[in-house]
Amino acid sequence: EAQVTQNPRYLITVTGKKLTVTCSQNMNHEYMSWYRQDPGLGLRQIYYSMNVEVTDKGDVPEGYKVSRKEKRNFPLILESPSPNQTSLYFCASSSLGGLGRTQYFGPGTRLLVL
Amino acid sequence: RKEVEQDPGPFNVPEGATVAFNCTYSNSASQSFFWYRQDCRKEPKLLMSVYSSGNEDGRFTAQLNRASQYISLLIRDSKLSDSATYLCVVNFMNSNSGYALNFGKGTSLLVTP
Repeated sequence: EAQVTQNPRYLITVTGKKLTVTCSQNMNHEYMSWYRQDPGLGLRQIYYSMNVEVTDKGDVPEGYKVSRKEKRNFPLILESPSPNQTSLYFCASSSLGGLGRTQYFGPGTRLLVL
Repeated sequence: RKEVEQDPGPFNVPEGATVAFNCTYSNSASQSFFWYRQDCRKEPKLLMSVYSSGNEDGRFTAQLNRASQYISLLIRDSKLSDSATYLCVVNFMNSNSGYALNFGKGTSLLVTP
């Protein structure tokens, strides 16, 4: 089954404690992306990757890091989480071929930073 | 000005009603267009792509007006299960990444018995 998986699905942590949210896709997609979704603000892109070892900032990259060492994985790293990073996070992937690139989303990770 | 704008709603309609959502986008270089559906606390899922000639998928009809930079979604014979948030999504090529997706904030629909 084609899918995007994220772990953990729910996480409560404290300010300053480094954490990583994993994202993996099994569709051989080149493009992967991280979003955060907050009430009233919609989906905002944090980082994206066009392919292995190619990453770039989205609209709200501050406080986040990513890596793309393998095509299937795109972890999101919060080196020193702060309460304003409490949010719902989605990983997504798509192929780069053609213009009609639909994005497939993971199930989301709910993060609470105390 | 926001890249993709939608009326946030909520739209409260009775079962069986017809409801229309609108979306405008600011980047005239936009190349592909989609409607996504998002249920509460779930991930967005593709509902349908939007083509220049307009397209229909069962009770759902999508229209695109490139001249006015306007996209619409029409839902006929609304079902309770149509209750969700509908996201307008616009894809365009840019000089940096070659590819960017812009999401509207979504329009909330509640279909009532």
